[in-house]
Amino acid sequence: ETGVTQTPRHLVMGMTNKKSLKCEQHLGHNAMYWYKQSAKKPLELMFVYNFKEQTENNSVPSRFSPECPNSSHLFLHLHTLQPEDSALYLCASSHKTSGSDVDTQYFGPGTRLTVL
Amino acid sequence: GQNIDQPTEMTATEGAIVQINCTYQTSGFNGLFWYQQHAGEAPTFLSYNVLDGLEEKGRFSSFLSRSKGYSYLLLKELQMKDSASYLCAVTDSNYQLIWGAGTKLIIKP
Repeated sequence: ETGVTQTPRHLVMGMTNKKSLKCEQHLGHNAMYWYKQSAKKPLELMFVYNFKEQTENNSVPSRFSPECPNSSHLFLHLHTLQPEDSALYLCASSHKTSGSDVDTQYFGPGTRLTVL
Repeated sequence: GQNIDQPTEMTATEGAIVQINCTYQTSGFNGLFWYQQHAGEAPTFLSYNVLDGLEEKGRFSSFLSRSKGYSYLLLKELQMKDSASYLCAVTDSNYQLIWGAGTKLIIKP
């Protein structure tokens, strides 16, 4: 199994649809992250979970709803999205022992989302 | 505010050497990462620097000067497969990762 997997790889949805992105990590890590990557912009951190508990929510609109049932799985539920939400959504994981810890994040290949 | 600057795009020739610069202004510093991201793929970890100086890893080297808020990634003996985006990221005093927008490197034969 590769380290961090994401499904689907590509998703096209209308503004009224509801869909979910899935991320799974096989690295034994305890922290998982959702990022948004738009062309020519820095990665935007959306959510962080550590040991299944949400530790960061960077002012993300409520139309994005994360779920972390265990340390290996992370979901991003989408509803009533806007065209400007079209982007690459990356999941990452790391072994984070505490808040004051530098850890290397390992990324999945991303889901390319297009909102029509 | 916090800011990471790196060139948007660079072009180099196969077999040559290229240096990708990254300057940062952050609230504190706890290390700097370089990642490589091929189009449509996951960013992959290349290097981490927390002390001043040069770290060499095969054809890739990364340099850090904390007093200047500056790092570079040096790629030697360029290969076509090195065509990718290179992302610079700094860990600030709150251990948050601050990302640059990435440098797209184009390698020409």
